Amino acid sequence: GAVVSQHPSRVICKSGTSVKIECRSLDFQATTMFWYRQFPKQSLMLMATSNEGSKATYEQGVEKDKFLINHASLTLSTLTVTSAHPEDSSFYICSASPPGQGFYGYTFGSGTRLTVV
Amino acid sequence: QQQVKQSPQSLIVQKGGISIINCAYENTAFDYFPWYQQFPGKGPALLIAIRPDVSEKKEGRFTISFNKSAKQFSLHIMDSQPGDSATYFCAANFGNEKLTFGTGTRLTIIP
Repeated sequence: GAVVSQHPSRVICKSGTSVKIECRSLDFQATTMFWYRQFPKQSLMLMATSNEGSKATYEQGVEKDKFLINHASLTLSTLTVTSAHPEDSSFYICSASPPGQGFYGYTFGSGTRLTVV
Repeated sequence: QQQVKQSPQSLIVQKGGISIINCAYENTAFDYFPWYQQFPGKGPALLIAIRPDVSEKKEGRFTISFNKSAKQFSLHIMDSQPGDSATYFCAANFGNEKLTFGTGTRLTIIP
């Protein structure tokens, strides 16, 4: 089955620094990847849609300059949290679907726990 | 508004019992209603999904019931096991490529 890998699984950074999270589709090409944020005991909230070769589409209320998304290849999307602050501490999850499978092939990564101190 | 309302927020079921989680949507949704299972510190994993042209889908111990007229769908877990203890999310696709998730149900199966 389709596999989506995220790295790192956990990261702790100091307030004001930036941190990059990688999302890779291991056995398929993904022109579109999705980034979610999940606060403790809450649901998944879509942050942005990452499009290979073009600009990401952000959901309302998500700061584009703070959450930089780069989808430079068909198997890799990165999310960079810039000038991170404690309120950015959260669980970040990406997802993608193999070509032609639409939602039926939706696969999530294992998530990245970001802690800003 | 594109919302998916999920209940209950938490659920405790005895081993061997039936776990039932309900979801309702407000607006007309399109062709995909999945349920996801999430363990602590992990990403969600697809459990089972249904299309609106089907009223019920069963896969092993997991069954989705779908009521299009009522705009409701539910997950039934038969013979619930301790390994089923996790958080469950329903979701729906509202005609674009974005999934909208329910608020989640924390299921605990007790011996």
